[in-house]
Formats: sequence, C-alpha cells, structure tokens
Amino acid sequence: DAEITQSPRHKITETGRQVTLACHQTWNHNNMFWYRQDLGHGLRLIHYSYGVHDTNKGEVSDGYSVSRSNTEDLPLTLESAASSQTSVYFCASSESQGSTGYTFGSGTRLTVV
Amino acid sequence: AQKVTQAQTEISVVEKEDVTLDCVYETRDTTYYLFWYKQPPSGELVFLIRRNSFDEQNEISGRYSWNFQKSTSSFNFTITASQVVDSAVYFCALSEATISGTASKLTFGTGTRLQVTL
Repeated sequence: DAEITQSPRHKITETGRQVTLACHQTWNHNNMFWYRQDLGHGLRLIHYSYGVHDTNKGEVSDGYSVSRSNTEDLPLTLESAASSQTSVYFCASSESQGSTGYTFGSGTRLTVV
Repeated sequence: AQKVTQAQTEISVVEKEDVTLDCVYETRDTTYYLFWYKQPPSGELVFLIRRNSFDEQNEISGRYSWNFQKSTSSFNFTITASQVVDSAVYFCALSEATISGTASKLTFGTGTRLQVTL
C-alpha cells in the first residue's frame, strides 16, 4: 500500500546544530508540503513543492530549507536549530490533478535544547 | 490572502450531546476547497471531508454532518450524539485552486479541542 513516512519520530538536538527531517511518499504525488504545529497556531506552512526541482517558501520559512531531487522525497533542513523551532513537524503530499485530499505523515517531534 | 478562523478553542460536552464546531474562512478566489481534519490524542491527522466551492450541498456521514454556506463563508461541522472517541482536536482548512484548477497549499485554522465526557 502507498504511504507517507516521516523519520525520525522523535529527535532531540542542541541549539546551533543542523538537523534534517525526512519525508518519503510512495503515492507518486507531485505536491509535497511541510507544516509545523504549535499550540495556539494550528498548522503553519513552512515550505512546499509542486514537483521535482520546485520549492517554495511558506509563511514560516525562516531558518528552514528543502530540496526536491525526486518525486518521493522532500527533506526539511534546519540550518542552525533554535529553541523556537521546537515543534511537531508534519509532512503531507497531494495529487496535482483534482483535490482528493492531502495525505499526512505521522509527524516528527523535534526538541531543541 | 486566505484565512481560516476557528473561534472555539475548547468545547466540553457530555456523551450523547450534539456539538457544532464553527469554521469561518476568507478567500478572494471563487474556486477553493474546504477540509476538516481530526487529530486524536495519538497525534496523527485524519481526513474527514473535502468540499469544493461549487458544491454547497450539506453532507451527512453517520453521526457527522457538515453545513457549507458561502453567503456567510462558513463550513461548520456537527457531531450528533457525541461519544468519548470523538475527543480530539479538529482542524478546518482551506485550499485555493491553482490556475489549472487543482488544489494548492492548505491553510489551517487554529483548531478546536473537543472533550467528550461520560
């Protein structure tokens, strides 16, 4: 069965370190998204991609980067982790034609100490 | 810019009560999609429903029903005869269509936490 997986599920890192969160989907979806979830803010868009080599900034992109070298993967990199980036991160994918819905990963809980 | 407002931060009900979760949205597009997601205590996001802007028919799925009213820019969600298993955070979300008519990125409301007790 097709799926979308995020790894790791939990991560603790130190301030200033570079961290990469993985997102892999086997739906063959062109669209992929990264969100962060914080209490009182719901889910906010960090970066998104509509296809290979396409990346776009979302509303809270500062301090984050993504790259899309193939259809299946959209890794999210925190260049220099800050305590304000402690959050739960969700990856999602969707078809580019129609809008049958978005499939979300199980989330990565990141703690920056 | 698009915006989704869920004014109810938390709602507590007793099992078997009906409960309505409000969602008000803002968009300048004429073509858009509305969604509801459920996030149970386990943390995953569960898709409940998608509606496009041209379909104002209300929908019922078991104990769940949705009322879409373009005139008031609202997409409210009602749970009939609530159960303890309905306890979760519920998110309303909006996606504007791209030029080709496909859905683009989702904008979420801040969520409503529903607590159903015995």
